[in-house]
Amino acid sequence: EVQLVESGGGLVQPGRSLRLSCAASGFTFDDYAMHWVRQSPGKGLEWVSGINWNSGDIGYADSVKGRFTISRDNAKKSLYLQMNSLRVEDTALYYCVKDVSGSLIRHYGMDVWGQGTTVTVSS
Amino acid sequence: DIQMTQSPSSLSASVGDRVTITCRASQSIRNYLSWYQQKPGKVPKLLIYGASSLHSGVPSRFSGSASGTDFTLTISSLQPEDFATYYCQQSNSLPYTFGQGTKLEIK
Repeated sequence: EVQLVESGGGLVQPGRSLRLSCAASGFTFDDYAMHWVRQSPGKGLEWVSGINWNSGDIGYADSVKGRFTISRDNAKKSLYLQMNSLRVEDTALYYCVKDVSGSLIRHYGMDVWGQGTTVTVSS
Repeated sequence: DIQMTQSPSSLSASVGDRVTITCRASQSIRNYLSWYQQKPGKVPKLLIYGASSLHSGVPSRFSGSASGTDFTLTISSLQPEDFATYYCQQSNSLPYTFGQGTKLEIK
């Protein structure tokens, strides 16, 4: 069974850091690009960041650029999101998402979503 | 950044109705447009990719089309399980962006 399991969320004060992890199973992890997508309570989906199969292409939403860093470890079948200088507006459910291809650039959809991990930024 | 504007934001319809949701891109995205369905408390599901290709396992009552920068998701005959929120997403250029969503409710 194809599965993505996120971890690392929690309650954190503004300005602090948090690192999210995503453990993949049931597919050949290093064949696919991966993404982080977030959803604030009661709001829509926001693409946060993506990384291609070999970490050669990486992209970020403007709202997180310079503060968040995406990475992957293909040997560990894991995806990460290092979140620094967190803001209240970063509060959301963060999904780890599998791409349908290995390419980040001009892809054709994201087909497997984890259940998400909740990040709450509050003083 | 490319802006994706969905319309309508919400829609009431009945079982059996034909429903159309539109997504307009602020600039050309060629056919790099996907549609997702999200039910309350559930994760999003990929419905359509490449503007008009049906993802595996998605019922054939769902279809997508494109005309320039306008994209359409059509449900030919609404079923009870189709009441959900639908999102479009462009993947032509980074950063990728979603539309604001269309909530499809039962009339």
